[in-house]
Amino acid sequence: DGGITQSPKYLFRKEGQNVTLSCEQNLNHDAMYWYRQDPGQGLRLIYYSQIVNDFQKGDIAEGYSVSREKKESFPLTVTSAQKNPTAFYLCASSTIGGSINEQFFGPGTRLTVL
Amino acid sequence: SQELEQSPQSLIVQEGKNLTINCTSSKTLYGLYWYKQKYGEGLIFLMMLQKGGEEKSHEKITAKLDEKKQQSSLHITASQPSHAGIYLCGADHGANSKLTFGKGITLSVRP
Repeated sequence: DGGITQSPKYLFRKEGQNVTLSCEQNLNHDAMYWYRQDPGQGLRLIYYSQIVNDFQKGDIAEGYSVSREKKESFPLTVTSAQKNPTAFYLCASSTIGGSINEQFFGPGTRLTVL
Repeated sequence: SQELEQSPQSLIVQEGKNLTINCTSSKTLYGLYWYKQKYGEGLIFLMMLQKGGEEKSHEKITAKLDEKKQQSSLHITASQPSHAGIYLCGADHGANSKLTFGKGITLSVRP
């Protein structure tokens, strides 16, 4: 079945540690996205990528880094510079161009900083 | 200021009742996407609207986009507990395939 997978489902981290969240898709989509969701805040865009080896900052990129070495994979690293990393992180993918940009979402990773 | 406003913020209805929620954009919409989310899970796509005046239905859910393409409503007929969740709208403002999301509306359906 085609879809997006995120791992792990739950992640705990000590303050000062970097942590990497995985996102993989087998939909052959060119574009991939990372969002952060906090209660009452909706989804906020962290980073997005439309092509391999290229990515752009979203609205809240500070304290995060990404890579796009393969079309299928778009890992997100939450660095120790992120002041308030506890949140629910969602990865999405979509085709680009054309008139329809429906984004398909993964199941999410809940990160808790202890 | 918020580019995309959803109202009401939350809603509690009795099972069997109809309800309407709204999504209002400060900019013209090139596309409006409705998603549903169960708490702690990913977003599930419901419907996409593009043309002014467009209306789409799926099972008991109907979504409309106004003629000016700046507001969308989502109507649920004869609500059921399975309709409970968070409803988010995502707007395509023509910005390079990016979507802007509203804060979401939490719907509870009392049996």
